[in-house]
Amino acid sequence: QSVLTQPPSASGTPGQRVTISCSGSSSNVGSNNVNWYQQVPGTAPKLLIYWNSHRPSGVPDRFSGSKSGTSASLAISGLQSEDEADYYCAAWDDTLDGRVVFGGGTKVTVL
Amino acid sequence: QARLVESGGGVVQSGRSLRLSCAASGFTLSTYTVYWVRQAPGKGLEWVTVMSYYGNKTYYADSVKGRFTISRDNSKNTLQMEMNSLRDEDTAVYYCARESTWGAFDMWGQGTKVTVSS
Repeated sequence: QSVLTQPPSASGTPGQRVTISCSGSSSNVGSNNVNWYQQVPGTAPKLLIYWNSHRPSGVPDRFSGSKSGTSASLAISGLQSEDEADYYCAAWDDTLDGRVVFGGGTKVTVL
Repeated sequence: QARLVESGGGVVQSGRSLRLSCAASGFTLSTYTVYWVRQAPGKGLEWVTVMSYYGNKTYYADSVKGRFTISRDNSKNTLQMEMNSLRDEDTAVYYCARESTWGAFDMWGQGTKVTVSS
């Protein structure tokens, strides 16, 4: 059972907007930055969003992140077939020395 | 180009040991905090252990504490993880990951698969 809560699945047709939520607590999401990772099946995770809403170089601007209180969200606008992947949120937890906590992951399917 | 490459995975019997390595190229590993993260078959990501930059602090997940040991060989620019008393539930793909100045994992290795059979 993951510390951060994500819906197990989300889906949309090409061009649609999909949003994934990530719920935590005051010791993790509520007091630390949230990062998002994309994992295409069979490959390593890739950093998608850092500091709640910042995109690393090379990540398309149709990916956006936000945070409010103890919840964060990732939005994919203009969904494309190559966006079909698993998405994980992560944050540091103030109650756990050196530990990062992950969400359980959300499988995004492009219909 | 900077990258991380893991090695050392394989099939091992329950109770035995295995040593994983993570070789860094294109940057100096000792100047970064580095992690091992694992992913059991069909499951999500799980933090396993971390070594701070310059190696002065290490932490372990409760599930591996006392059995796994993280270390670094600065002369070879590599990270290692010694895994003892392996259990079925340690079966996973193990990734090493670098923590950026943004506090995110900006670089991951390709992963190495560990299968523990009883």
